[in-house]
Amino acid sequence: DIQMTQSPSSLSASVGDRVTITCRASQSISSYLNWYQQKPGKAPKLLIYAASSLQSGVPSRFSGSGSGTDFTLTISSLQPEDFATYYCQQSYSTLLFTFGPGTKVDIK
Amino acid sequence: EVQLVESGGGLVQPGGSLRLSCAASGFTFSSYWMSWVRQAPGKGLEWVANIKQDGSEKYYVDSVKGRFTISRDNAKNSLYLQMNSLRAEDTAVYYCAREGYYGDYHDAFDIWGQGTMVTVSS
Repeated sequence: DIQMTQSPSSLSASVGDRVTITCRASQSISSYLNWYQQKPGKAPKLLIYAASSLQSGVPSRFSGSGSGTDFTLTISSLQPEDFATYYCQQSYSTLLFTFGPGTKVDIK
Repeated sequence: EVQLVESGGGLVQPGGSLRLSCAASGFTFSSYWMSWVRQAPGKGLEWVANIKQDGSEKYYVDSVKGRFTISRDNAKNSLYLQMNSLRAEDTAVYYCAREGYYGDYHDAFDIWGQGTMVTVSS
């Protein structure tokens, strides 16, 4: 099974800050990596697919990069509505999708 | 509007059964792989199972193999999850999710339902 890790597990940031979240896979997954945002009590929302492609309707302040085992999600200028938990997910092994443990972004 | 609506959750005793349903609308349901994803209280996301467009292929996470069965009825635009031999650790919000296809074998969960809560407790 492909294991996913994320760092940090949580972070505190201010509006306007640049935020970077890291995701690492236990083996190479090429660019088969997706990012989701989840707010409390709500379903997750797809932000980035294929490591760096922005899902339709997602603000351009969100960006993704990486390939192989190391990936990053960057929020260029944090907005009030961005305080949430972010999950990475590998789609390399379509017989067993796995998510990272999540990174909670809260207000400093 | 593209939408997924789950139902069927509730309180069930350990060892019991429950059947979840997911009604799809606003898109051609029969053209997509579909998945169930769960989230235990205060925990992260866990993919549970998925099913091919015509139901000919189904895959499960190890922890539910032999206990859960995913199925679909394309005529009714509906996805199901039959859960048997339920355990306390199955307690979670269960989401149905559409697997969007983005080319070059890239899949992502692009549409999610609102979730239905399953509580396994005596």
